[in-house]
Amino acid sequence: QQQVKQSPQSLIVQKGGISIINCAYENTAFDYFPWYQQFPGKGPALLIAIRPDVSEKKEGRFTISFNKSAKQFSLHIMDSQPGDSATYFCAASMEGTYKYIFGTGTRLKVLA
Amino acid sequence: EAGVVQSPRYKIIEKKQPVAFWCNPISGHNTLYWYLQNLGQGPELLIRYENEEAVDDSQLPKDRFSAERLKGVDSTLKIQPAELGDSAVYLCASSTTSGYTQYFGPGTRLTVL
Repeated sequence: QQQVKQSPQSLIVQKGGISIINCAYENTAFDYFPWYQQFPGKGPALLIAIRPDVSEKKEGRFTISFNKSAKQFSLHIMDSQPGDSATYFCAASMEGTYKYIFGTGTRLKVLA
Repeated sequence: EAGVVQSPRYKIIEKKQPVAFWCNPISGHNTLYWYLQNLGQGPELLIRYENEEAVDDSQLPKDRFSAERLKGVDSTLKIQPAELGDSAVYLCASSTTSGYTQYFGPGTRLTVL
């Protein structure tokens, strides 16, 4: 019940295309859902985050879509660029715990 | 603003040897986390500190792992003795006491031979 399932494991997208990464959770007590981007040799960096009281959040080319009833959320990267090539992790957290449960990651490669 | 600082960045040791990792969080961040990241996996929490107090160490293998944050600022994570399965990246993160956003350091890549 504490797991966050992430798919796909890897993704190849052409430059300018849309990258979509999906996550699903079971525990309805989760109330904060961040996405992190990690480049090789670097620590994860916060990309965008959402709370379950909204269904969508957009920041630049990055959008989170959240479906509370389905317990799913996804990251959309519009106009994907080679510089977006990295590993993306979704995570979930419960209020007061500050404990992130991370997904297993998606390795994105954007072809030039 | 300086980010989370970790050292060393890389460490190679023989099994059964001790090893220590150091972390300096972002200034003003009272909460500090140590995570373990195995290859191809997401980070897993080892321990969380609120100031000097370890408030969640349920995932820390206490038979060989220890951690301290004596003055509520920087922290040290130790493994003694190291095993082959400890080879991984050890990440440190910090956040404000009441904030959700965690900021990660670059990690220490440990290789146990």
